[in-house]
Amino acid sequence: GEDVEQSLFLSVREGDSSVINCTYTDSSSTYLYWYKQEPGAGLQLLTYIFSNMDMKQDQRLTVLLNKKDKHLSLRIADTQTGDSAIYFCAETLSGGYNKLIFGAGTRLAVHP
Amino acid sequence: EPEVTQTPSHQVTQMGQEVILRCVPISNHLYFYWYRQILGQKVEFLVSFYNNEISEKSEIFDDQFSVERPDGSNFTLKIRSTKLEDSAMYFCASSDSDGDYNEQFFGPGTRLTVL
Repeated sequence: GEDVEQSLFLSVREGDSSVINCTYTDSSSTYLYWYKQEPGAGLQLLTYIFSNMDMKQDQRLTVLLNKKDKHLSLRIADTQTGDSAIYFCAETLSGGYNKLIFGAGTRLAVHP
Repeated sequence: EPEVTQTPSHQVTQMGQEVILRCVPISNHLYFYWYRQILGQKVEFLVSFYNNEISEKSEIFDDQFSVERPDGSNFTLKIRSTKLEDSAMYFCASSDSDGDYNEQFFGPGTRLTVL
């Protein structure tokens, strides 16, 4: 079945790297996404990766995909207090009419 | 920058009442979605809508739910007779394509509380 799992909470010190992990169960994922939600705001697309790729880098963000283990991670380098938010992992499936299947979100807390 | 808007931001209603949640998608987008998130749980897909028709709906989207695009700008979700378990944050999203990759732009959500 379709399932996406994430750990619920991560606390890091400002300036350190953050790594948020996600696992999914469906082999027919086409794209995997990371969304960010700040308080009072909607979900904002941060980055995405095509399921045939292993890695994607976008400035401070690095996405790693291990398709064999169905594991996705988001690394944020030099984490800042402005990165404090909830991060959602999501996938779309082949033949899935583009509905997004989300995890429960990881709350990232950045402290000085 | 264009954005998806939703009203109201918070709706409180009595069990059994009808509610209509409103969304204004980005103006040139053609594909529309509703998702919901019960507190502490995952964001769940409810329904997708294109060309005045439902494209796909989840098991949650039963006969109590309906969607409509009443004019060229609004996209609404109606819950006919609300239940306690309908209490959740409801997110509207829109996109301009339905390819394998499509960026869905989300509104800030409407928090629905059913008493």
